[in-house]
Amino acid sequence: GQQLNQSPQSMFIQEGEDVSMNCTSSSIFNTWLWYKQDPGEGPVLLIALYKAGELTSNGRLTAQFGITRKDSFLNISASIPSDVGIYFCAGLSGNQFYFGTGTSLTVIP
Amino acid sequence: GAVVSQHPSRVICKSGTSVKIECRSLDFQATTMFWYRQFPKQSLMLMATSNEGSKATYEQGVEKDKFLINHASLTLSTLTVTSAHPEDSSFYICSAANTGVPAWLGYTFGSGTRLTVV
Repeated sequence: GQQLNQSPQSMFIQEGEDVSMNCTSSSIFNTWLWYKQDPGEGPVLLIALYKAGELTSNGRLTAQFGITRKDSFLNISASIPSDVGIYFCAGLSGNQFYFGTGTSLTVIP
Repeated sequence: GAVVSQHPSRVICKSGTSVKIECRSLDFQATTMFWYRQFPKQSLMLMATSNEGSKATYEQGVEKDKFLINHASLTLSTLTVTSAHPEDSSFYICSAANTGVPAWLGYTFGSGTRLTVV
């Protein structure tokens, strides 16, 4: 199957700091999505990107769809404690998702 | 917004028994639903694609006789873990495709089911 690699695998940051994580793929996707998963819950969509080079914001979140269509990054500005969770990127090919390996974020108050 | 209800949220069963997990789209029709499995601190792995009125499509390495999927209506898909063993313990998540919206917005995830086999 297609492999999406996320980095970093985990992050420990102070409240108020900015966060950056990225996702790379060996394959091209026409749609990239970023999800957040809280413990014991299903993923919740944060941002969807569907045009190469597109930069999209959702509040303190900003994501970009790489020009090569093989990568994407997610930035979180001014982190707060409720940002804690696991962030997954996902590439959409046809009607099938391929999820990234995840980035675990811990925000220290 | 679109809501997908997954039930039960947690289940503990004895080894050798079967467990059924339900995934319901509450306010939209879903011709396609997906079942994922997630181990602790790992990503979601697609197990199978469930199509209403037809057989499910299983990913390579997923035993279709062990993980029975039924999608008998446009709002309900079920995953039955048959003859469960401790190694089947995992977090199972479904998602449903809302065919009424563009693909990149139309997938809603359930809240997951924590299965523990003892």
